Amino acid sequence: DADVTQTPRNRITKTGKRIMLECSQTKGHDRMYWYRQDPGLGLRLIYYSFDVKDINKGEISDGYSVSRQAQAKFSLSLESAIPNQTALYFCATARDRGYEQYFGPGTRLTVT
Amino acid sequence: AQTVTQSQPEMSVQEAETVTLSCTYDTSENNYYLFWYKQPPSRQMILVIRQEAYKQQNATENRFSVNFQKAAKSFSLKISDSQLGDTAMYFCAFMEYGNKLVFGAGTILRVKS
Repeated sequence: DADVTQTPRNRITKTGKRIMLECSQTKGHDRMYWYRQDPGLGLRLIYYSFDVKDINKGEISDGYSVSRQAQAKFSLSLESAIPNQTALYFCATARDRGYEQYFGPGTRLTVT
Repeated sequence: AQTVTQSQPEMSVQEAETVTLSCTYDTSENNYYLFWYKQPPSRQMILVIRQEAYKQQNATENRFSVNFQKAAKSFSLKISDSQLGDTAMYFCAFMEYGNKLVFGAGTILRVKS
């Protein structure tokens, strides 16, 4: 029983298409995050949210947008996908500052 | 901006031996948190250990321990009695104010039988 789920797990899409990655959590955490992982670069923060009305840009937000539909749901959108957005995307949640972030299983996105 | 450097892209160790993964970071903050995460081939990110900067004592979790040197801004991970299941990518991460994690590039660890 996963506490943080991501859908889809894998996706192949074409350049210019709009795509949404979804994240849901049952941990009751207010803080949620989106990261992307690229080989040799580790994970980089795209967007984060401390509650439903609080959305913040991370290190690499260009080309992405997010929606916090509820405490438990945080979606990441690529309005017009491009090949260099091919990466592994992770959603994470946290209880409060300083505490562990819990990660979802990741979404492998390929843009052709 | 804070940066995290893992200088060892790949390492290998024999089963049952000890290995140390290096991590250095750069920050002007005094209070912060440091983490080691493990990513096995399943790609799931798993917390290995957590250190609070204001605590002098090094964190320990079973076979995993850290050597935290605050003045040197160093945070190495020691794995004792290495097991095949320890084979994974290991990420060092720094938590700045606001609960944002900054990750290093990772170290691939291979445990050999």
